Amino acid sequence: DTAVSQTPKYLVTQMGNDKSIKCEQNLGHDTMYWYKQDSKKFLKIMFSYNNKELIINETVPNRFSPKSPDKAHLNLHINSLELGDSAVYFCASSQGTGGGYNEQFFGPGTRLTVL
Amino acid sequence: GDSVTQMEGPVTLSEEACLTINCTYTATGYPSLFWYVQYPGEGLQLLLKATKADDKGSNKGFEATYRKETTSFHLEKGSVQVSDSAVYFCALFLGAQKLVFGQGTRLTINP
Repeated sequence: DTAVSQTPKYLVTQMGNDKSIKCEQNLGHDTMYWYKQDSKKFLKIMFSYNNKELIINETVPNRFSPKSPDKAHLNLHINSLELGDSAVYFCASSQGTGGGYNEQFFGPGTRLTVL
Repeated sequence: GDSVTQMEGPVTLSEEACLTINCTYTATGYPSLFWYVQYPGEGLQLLLKATKADDKGSNKGFEATYRKETTSFHLEKGSVQVSDSAVYFCALFLGAQKLVFGQGTRLTINP
């Protein structure tokens, strides 16, 4: 009964490759997010989708392309991977469009290592 | 812009010690405030929250009070346990469904 799941859990790849991370939530939420956590544990939002529509794009390089085929899925595709992309990527979901009352539920994270 | 500043870690305490992790924020409006906890190898979990000034959030023996006059939301616990060892994140929410996180504070509790 996992609420927010991500695959893969670990991803090791070479510079220049293209990779995808998948996220699925079974909570019936209408909003999903991608966050990046760097090596110093600093956590920053990258994207947010509400009902499959992009609502937040935090100045992320266009090598990163989120795709939301339906409300329950938000995948992250990364082209031409760079060393600086190494991080832990967290998916999250919430219900509603604001007010701070709607808790965001986080997935377990995907640790991406670019060699 | 909106930001959150937490006390620098790591913080190491003995079991049953008192804990305070400081958090202050800068925001143009009236944010909701949160503490999230990240246990080793896991994602973030909401620990507690407060949505308006003077609200007190509490959970698992942890407390934090929304202080508008000092723009603070310090996390406190009277007696910590080894199982409280984790990274703690203070965060604010101010519209557009955007959580802004502090830099995280790593807490280690020794038996």
